[in-house]
Amino acid sequence: DAGITQSPRHKVTETGTPVTLRCHQTENHRYMYWYRQDPGHGLRLIHYSYGVKDTDKGEVSDGYSVSRSKTEDFLLTLESATSSQTSVYFCAISVGSTAMNTEAFFGQGTRLTVV
Amino acid sequence: ELKVEQNPLFLSMQEGKNYTIYCNYSTTSDRLYWYRQDPGKSLESLFVLLSNGAVKQEGRLMASLDTKARLSTLHITAAVHDLSATYFCAVDSGRGEYGNKLVFGAGTILRVKS
Repeated sequence: DAGITQSPRHKVTETGTPVTLRCHQTENHRYMYWYRQDPGHGLRLIHYSYGVKDTDKGEVSDGYSVSRSKTEDFLLTLESATSSQTSVYFCAISVGSTAMNTEAFFGQGTRLTVV
Repeated sequence: ELKVEQNPLFLSMQEGKNYTIYCNYSTTSDRLYWYRQDPGKSLESLFVLLSNGAVKQEGRLMASLDTKARLSTLHITAAVHDLSATYFCAVDSGRGEYGNKLVFGAGTILRVKS
């Protein structure tokens, strides 16, 4: 599991409520990512981080914010959850000694249902 | 904008048969990855392909990369039931920089029937 823990693993929330998902890693990797997985779309990048307090948007960032105050934790927040944000969310880290040999490893996923 | 297309999206095959999954991508990239996902589980890395003509094999699976054609293939030889899973290709949208900003194909659901 590459030392990645996502919490919670499952969550049901109501439309309009804020939700925060946590990704915790134990190996001090600099790069962390949040993806969402939906049928027919594969995984899509939401936000990523390249260091403490350094984050940037991905392909589907609208409605999401992130924070990284410590190397080991990368938080994904849905400010006001909508039904379209019902999805499985995966955290990932990049592992590799050089730019060319980096590889992404994924956490176990968080299944979020917005009702 | 980088786009990744996989086909077929669903593949039902008999045990012992061979088949190929195709992954086309729209813009130049220097890194392509294949992942496997079992239902309800995380993604498991299968292959990392970094250069034109790269070929990697693991058991009954072989992956190749043609960067000129922007095409990768995942070939399955003599399929067995344990290979039933969803297979994703993913292309790195970064330009030689560290990290993995991946653009995924939609996935191929593989069912191997005995």
